[in-house]
Amino acid sequence: QKEVEQNSGPLSVPEGAIASLNCTYSDRGSQSFFWYRQYSGKSPELIMFIYSNGDKEDGRFTAQLNKASQYVSLLIRDSQPSDSATYLCAVTGTASKLTFGTGTRLQVTL
Amino acid sequence: KAGVTQTPRYLIKTRGQQVTLSCSPISGHRSVSWYQQTPGQGLQFLFEYFSETQRNKGNFPGRFSGRQFSNSRSEMNVSTLELGDSALYLCASSSGLASRTDTQYFGPGTRLTVL
Repeated sequence: QKEVEQNSGPLSVPEGAIASLNCTYSDRGSQSFFWYRQYSGKSPELIMFIYSNGDKEDGRFTAQLNKASQYVSLLIRDSQPSDSATYLCAVTGTASKLTFGTGTRLQVTL
Repeated sequence: KAGVTQTPRYLIKTRGQQVTLSCSPISGHRSVSWYQQTPGQGLQFLFEYFSETQRNKGNFPGRFSGRQFSNSRSEMNVSTLELGDSALYLCASSSGLASRTDTQYFGPGTRLTVL
């Protein structure tokens, strides 16, 4: 079982819709959870992080964490073509290393 | 604040050679982590340096090594290059403090091609 799992996609959503990206993790000791966006040929760019159960909102983005289910998600409201990218879920435990999922490719269609 | 910088951006080497990559973190950040990204394996953690000491290490062979200088700049070295070392090498900088909110910011990466 991989430590951090994501559906590779592609996830295709129409412009203006809500995109829902999901991630599960295996280590119950995981403490912080990060979402990065990576455009093709570029480096990962931080979107947001969460470490408490519940929802955290930042503009069009909402991260949701459920530690009991070992599940973290990212919602993107009013999806735009510029949101088309690969979204990487990453977790940290007591050590500061990031363990990444393989990413979900999002396509926002016109 | 200036972001994380990495040099060089592109490198082409042949098998058996060695290579050194450089990373300058965000001003004030004391932790530098290195990652390898390949299409097959995704992003994998190589090692982390904090205050000139290796603090964490991933599962890579000893051919991969690094160091950090007193100004927090870090270098990564790969010796005896293999074809499979072709990848995007990313460094990430953070404060390095033991905090759930400590966040890593990535540099643009060095694209290494081994022929």
